[in-house]
Amino acid sequence: GAGVSQSPSNKVTEKGKDVELRCDPISGHTALYWYRQSLGQGLEFLIYFQGNSAPDKSGLPSDRFSAERTGGSVSTLTIQRTQQEDSAVYLCASSLGQGTSYEQYFGPGTRLTVT
Amino acid sequence: AQSVTQLGSHVSVSEGALVLLRCNYSSSVPPYLFWYVQYPNQGLQLLLKYTSAATLVKGINGFEAEFKKSETSFHLTKPSAHMSDAAEYFCAVSDLSTGGFKTIFGAGTRLFVKA
Repeated sequence: GAGVSQSPSNKVTEKGKDVELRCDPISGHTALYWYRQSLGQGLEFLIYFQGNSAPDKSGLPSDRFSAERTGGSVSTLTIQRTQQEDSAVYLCASSLGQGTSYEQYFGPGTRLTVT
Repeated sequence: AQSVTQLGSHVSVSEGALVLLRCNYSSSVPPYLFWYVQYPNQGLQLLLKYTSAATLVKGINGFEAEFKKSETSFHLTKPSAHMSDAAEYFCAVSDLSTGGFKTIFGAGTRLFVKA
C-alpha cells in the first residue's frame, strides 16, 4: 500500500518568503506528526495531530510556524517570513493512533533551503 | 518528562563484528520504546519496538534490543555487522503519560561499518 508522502521533496526559497509543506499520511492513520531535522541533528518534535485537532503545539519554534490538518488526512505546515535558520529537512509521520503501539511511519521528508 | 540519551554520536565497527548502540531513557510510567533507522537521504523506518511484552525484542535485519527496567536502558545489538547496516539509528520513547502520541527521539548514533 501507499506510504506517507510529502511534497515538495526539495524547496529553495528566499529569506522572508512564506512556504507551505504538504504531508499525505497513510490512509486510516488518525495521528500525524511533524518533525524538523537539521544538519547533523536529531529529530525535533514540532506538532502532532489527533484527527484534525492538535493537542500539543509546544514544539513549534515560533509564531511564524503553523500547521493544519483537514478531513483527518492531509496536513500542511506553513512557515511565514522564512529565516535562514529554518533550513532543514521537515519530516512527517503518521500512526494508527490511540490504543496501538504508536509506531510511526515516516515520509521521505522535504528539504527546505532558505537563501 | 520523558527523555532519551544515546551514548555516542558515532560508532565504528568492522564488518562481521558485534554492533552495540546504547540508549537510556527516563520515564515516569512504563514506556513504549522504539529503534528507528535512517539510511542516507531517506526517511526513518521502524527497526523494532518494545510495548511491555517480552523484554527481548527482535527486529528486522537481525537487530534486537533488550528492555532493562532496572538500568532504564534499551540497547540495540546485532551479532555481526554488514556493510548495509551503515546508517543513522534513533532511539525513541512514547510519552504514555500524555496519551502516547508525543514521541521523544534521541540525538541519533551514526554507525560506520569498515570492510
